[in-house]
Amino acid sequence: DIQMTQSPSSLSASVGDTVTITCQASQDISTYLNWYQQKPGKAPKLLIYDASNLETGVPSRFSGGGSGTDFTFTISSLQPEDIATFFCQQYYNLPPYTFGQGTKLEIK
Amino acid sequence: QVQLVQSGAEVKKPGASVKVSCKASGYTFISYHLNWVRQAPGQGLEWVGWMNPNSGSTGYAQKFQGRVIMTRNTSISTAYMELSSLRSEDTAVYYCAREGGWAWGQGTLVTVSS
Repeated sequence: DIQMTQSPSSLSASVGDTVTITCQASQDISTYLNWYQQKPGKAPKLLIYDASNLETGVPSRFSGGGSGTDFTFTISSLQPEDIATFFCQQYYNLPPYTFGQGTKLEIK
Repeated sequence: QVQLVQSGAEVKKPGASVKVSCKASGYTFISYHLNWVRQAPGQGLEWVGWMNPNSGSTGYAQKFQGRVIMTRNTSISTAYMELSSLRSEDTAVYYCAREGGWAWGQGTLVTVSS
């Protein structure tokens, strides 16, 4: 199975900051990577698909990049409503479609 | 719009089985694979398995092999996940999620407690 290593596990930032989360795959997954935002008591919400494509309706301050094994997720100009846990997920080839461990984002 | 609506919360005793449903609307049910993902309290996301609603073929994570069965009823655009021999560690929110846009259901809390 493909392992996804996500870091950091938590981070604290101020409103207006730029925040970056990384995800590393245990093997080449091309750009078959999603990024999700999950708020307490809610289902994950897709923000980025195919590593760098913004889902319809998602604010442009969210972005993603990378290919192969190394990926980044960035929030530019952090807003209070961005407080959540973020997950990466690979969907390369066949299941299992594994997830990163998650990054809990807090506002300073 | 694409919607996945899951059945309500369940409380089960250890050793029992649970069957969770996921009703799809807003798209052609048989055209997209459905995944099941679970999330234990305060934990991350864990992939449980996958089903092709057209053929009925399935694939399960190794740790659930022998305990999980995924089925569907195409006439009512509904997928099912049944998990048996429940133990306390199976307490979690179970989600269905459609590939191709990755739309998710609202989640079903399954609590296993004596």
